Amino acid sequence: GAGVSQSPSNKVTEKGKDVELRCDPISGHTALYWYRQSLGQGLEFLIYFQGNSAPDKSGLPSDRFSAERTGGSVSTLTIQRTQQEDSAVYLCASSLASRADGGYTFGSGTRLTVV
Amino acid sequence: KQEVTQIPAALSVPEGENLVLNCSFTDSAIYNLQWFRQDPGKGLTSLLLIQSSQREQTSGRLNASLDKSSGRSTLYIAASQPGDSATYLCAVRGGNNRLAFGKGNQVVVIP
Repeated sequence: GAGVSQSPSNKVTEKGKDVELRCDPISGHTALYWYRQSLGQGLEFLIYFQGNSAPDKSGLPSDRFSAERTGGSVSTLTIQRTQQEDSAVYLCASSLASRADGGYTFGSGTRLTVV
Repeated sequence: KQEVTQIPAALSVPEGENLVLNCSFTDSAIYNLQWFRQDPGKGLTSLLLIQSSQREQTSGRLNASLDKSSGRSTLYIAASQPGDSATYLCAVRGGNNRLAFGKGNQVVVIP
């Protein structure tokens, strides 16, 4: 696609429920990233996928968070047993693998509200 | 760990004035630096990407400089307009392929 697409754009869920957030990166971008932006905070790295390599999960805040990337394209971020502190904007970005060319393109984000 | 700082955190300027936004980073071993714009409730829009070997990039009224050795970048916006009101984010890409972000410069251009 022309840009990074995220869905849903907004999600309200009850505490304790599971949620799935979807990211469709730019075609041909082999690197995909998830970031989280909490109110008044900077962007926090969550997870990074590069091609068929094992993902860098070092930013995931707890074992309630997981992500997968199917076929090297679409990615899903899953949050189990949501808590109120999970409320944030979840941003996905994709990039070409080459570091020299490596500008990031971000999606519009999913605003998650846990009530 | 890379630390990125943006000063000032917030500023207001009258329309027509030039904007100067500063970004500093602690680890000079970067591959590139990217400036983004974020409007309220929206995602990030890339403005300028400067490779580590470059000193500056320009696009229209925007100019960004990079001094890698001193860990600094400056974004200049000439002749500011009310439509420039937004949060501007600086991010550096390091060897771990992650972007490290500052907390942003929140800009208001007063008509």
